[in-house]
Amino acid sequence: DAKTTQPNSMESNEEEPVHLPCNHSTISGTDYIHWYRQLPSQGPEYVIHGLTSNVNNRMASLAIAEDRKSSTLILHRATLRDAAVYYCILRRGNTDKLIFGTGTRLQVFP
Amino acid sequence: DVKVTQSSRYLVKRTGEKVFLECVQDMDHENMFWYRQDPGLGLRLIYFSYDVKMKEKGDIPEGYSVSREKKERFSLILESASTNQTSMYLCASSFPVVAPSAEAFFGQGTRLTVV
Repeated sequence: DAKTTQPNSMESNEEEPVHLPCNHSTISGTDYIHWYRQLPSQGPEYVIHGLTSNVNNRMASLAIAEDRKSSTLILHRATLRDAAVYYCILRRGNTDKLIFGTGTRLQVFP
Repeated sequence: DVKVTQSSRYLVKRTGEKVFLECVQDMDHENMFWYRQDPGLGLRLIYFSYDVKMKEKGDIPEGYSVSREKKERFSLILESASTNQTSMYLCASSFPVVAPSAEAFFGQGTRLTVV
């Protein structure tokens, strides 16, 4: 399975934009890029996903590099509630497996 | 409101016991997953099922088995519980990844302690 690499931790101030990077240099053509986050004492929750084009939803934006070897999750205005572990995951189109890495722990300061 | 429900929030079992962790989803999802989560190790996939009676091993299947007799229910079985299986267990379900709505939904987790 293709691997992703994320920084262990990042910090942000409230109401500032946050850019969470993810490297996936061994991505294949059928791999979807998914992002999940896990708030303290909760199960993970879906944030956003994409294949080739940039994506926006009410929670975040996903910017995918042209060669697809990296992507960035963008939180436009961080809130205290966004403090969580963020996981970047590749989901292979022909297997449906969902394999998590260790993620990025985001701290948000008031 | 979509739901993945795990049968217990907390469980305490003795070493050597056979343990069943149950997971039910009400979204008609084809895929169901079992993970364990340990500090510093993140979520690790134990088993994955893509259809009734179909399963695939994840990264850490040793000491576990699964059962999927009905589409909505996916059971994780610890044949003979050991102390190193003390962990948080998370169940999830999703449509196939190529579906328009492919996000996975997670249950609230079962914290299992084996003594």
